[in-house]
Amino acid sequence: GEDVEQSLFLSVREGDSSVINCTYTDSSSTYLYWYKQEPGAGLQLLTYIFSNMDMKQDQRLTVLLNKKDKHLSLRIADTQTGDSAIYFCAENGSNDYKLSFGAGTTVTVRA
Amino acid sequence: DAGVTQSPTHLIKTRGQQVTLRCSPISGHKSVSWYQQVLGQGPQFIFQYYEKEERGRGNFPDRFSARQFPNYSSELNVNALLLGDSALYLCASSSPLQETQYFGPGTRLLVL
Repeated sequence: GEDVEQSLFLSVREGDSSVINCTYTDSSSTYLYWYKQEPGAGLQLLTYIFSNMDMKQDQRLTVLLNKKDKHLSLRIADTQTGDSAIYFCAENGSNDYKLSFGAGTTVTVRA
Repeated sequence: DAGVTQSPTHLIKTRGQQVTLRCSPISGHKSVSWYQQVLGQGPQFIFQYYEKEERGRGNFPDRFSARQFPNYSSELNVNALLLGDSALYLCASSSPLQETQYFGPGTRLLVL
């Protein structure tokens, strides 16, 4: 089955790095995703990683995947106030049509 | 290029009524998925349609139905609305290789 877990809250100082962690249960997932949701908005795809990779870097974002432990993390370098949002981890499991999401991590950036 | 569009943006209904939500995918995308996001939770999968056929259905009652049109736009219908159907309904379209889903802004439904 699918069960994606994330910590609920993260507070970080502006300019520091943020690290958001996620664990998933479906080892057959081929892709894992990070989405960002700002208040009152839909979900913005930030980045995704193929399951045979262990790291992906995209500008300020670094995704680390530990497939053995089913652990995914998102690092945001030089965190800005505009990074304040809810971040969702998601997996596609054994189906490529259905995404299973965690409950989201609310990131608050303080000056 | 335009992203995924949804209409209406907000809707207020009363219990027992029926509602239709609409979605247009990104140009060139043939697959549309629907998700329900209750306040404080992550999105839950409702349906996916590909080439006008249902590919998958989540754990939702038969009151929820959907269809996809020849131009790949889609409608989600919910009958006999319950208070618990109040949520943000998100539509997503999938890239041609199906590896990514791009979401629209959502329709916020309030059932009174």
